[in-house]
Amino acid sequence: GAGVSQSPSNKVTEKGKDVELRCDPISGHTALYWYRQSLGQGLEFLIYFQGNSAPDKSGLPSDRFSAERTGGSVSTLTIQRTQQEDSAVYLCASSLVGLGNEQFFGPGTRLTVL
Amino acid sequence: EDQVTQSPEALRLQEGESSSLNCSYTVSGLRGLFWYRQDPGKGPEFLFTLYSAGEEKEKERLKATLTKKESFLHITAPKPEDSATYLCAVQAGDSWGKLQFGAGTQVVVTP
Repeated sequence: GAGVSQSPSNKVTEKGKDVELRCDPISGHTALYWYRQSLGQGLEFLIYFQGNSAPDKSGLPSDRFSAERTGGSVSTLTIQRTQQEDSAVYLCASSLVGLGNEQFFGPGTRLTVL
Repeated sequence: EDQVTQSPEALRLQEGESSSLNCSYTVSGLRGLFWYRQDPGKGPEFLFTLYSAGEEKEKERLKATLTKKESFLHITAPKPEDSATYLCAVQAGDSWGKLQFGAGTQVVVTP
C-alpha cells in the first residue's frame, strides 16, 4: 500500500506569514508523529497523536505551533507568524500504535522562511 | 535526561571494507532501539528495531546488535549503494512512543 505522504514538498514563505503542512499517514495507523529536522539540530520530536487526540505536545517549540488530526487520519501542522528559525524539514511518521512499533516516515516538507 | 550519542560522525569506506557504527544511550526504561537509514532529501527509512540486550537482527549487509548501554550497526562488505546517513533512536518506556534520535553517522562507500 501507499506510504506516508506529505504536502507540499517545499514551501517558501515570508517572515510573519502563516503556513500549513499536511500529512497523510499509512491507512490503519492510529499513531501519528511530527518531527523537525534542521541543520545542526538533528531530528526533534514535536507532537504525537493517538487517533484524533494529542497526549504528547511536549516538543512544540512555541505557541505559534499547533497541530490537529481529523478522522483519525490526515494531520495538519500549522505555524503562525513564521520566523527564520522555523526553517527546517518537517517530517511526519505513523505507526500501528505508539509504543514499541516502528514508525514509518514521509518524505518531509522543506520549509524556508525568508 | 535521555541521551543518544552516535559515533563516528562520518565514515568513509572502500567498497568491501567492513566497519561498525556505534550508538550509546541513556534512557529510562528502554522500550525499543531503532535504526534508520536516510538518503539526502528523503525521510528516514526504517531498518531495525531491537528490544532487549543480546538481541541481534540482520538485513542483507547490515547487522544490528544491542547491549544495555549501546547498539552497533555492522556493515559487512559495503557497496556504494550503502552510502547514507544512519540514524539511531530510542523509545523510552514512559513516553507515548516518541523517538529520541542521535545526530547520525554519515557513511560514504567508494568503489
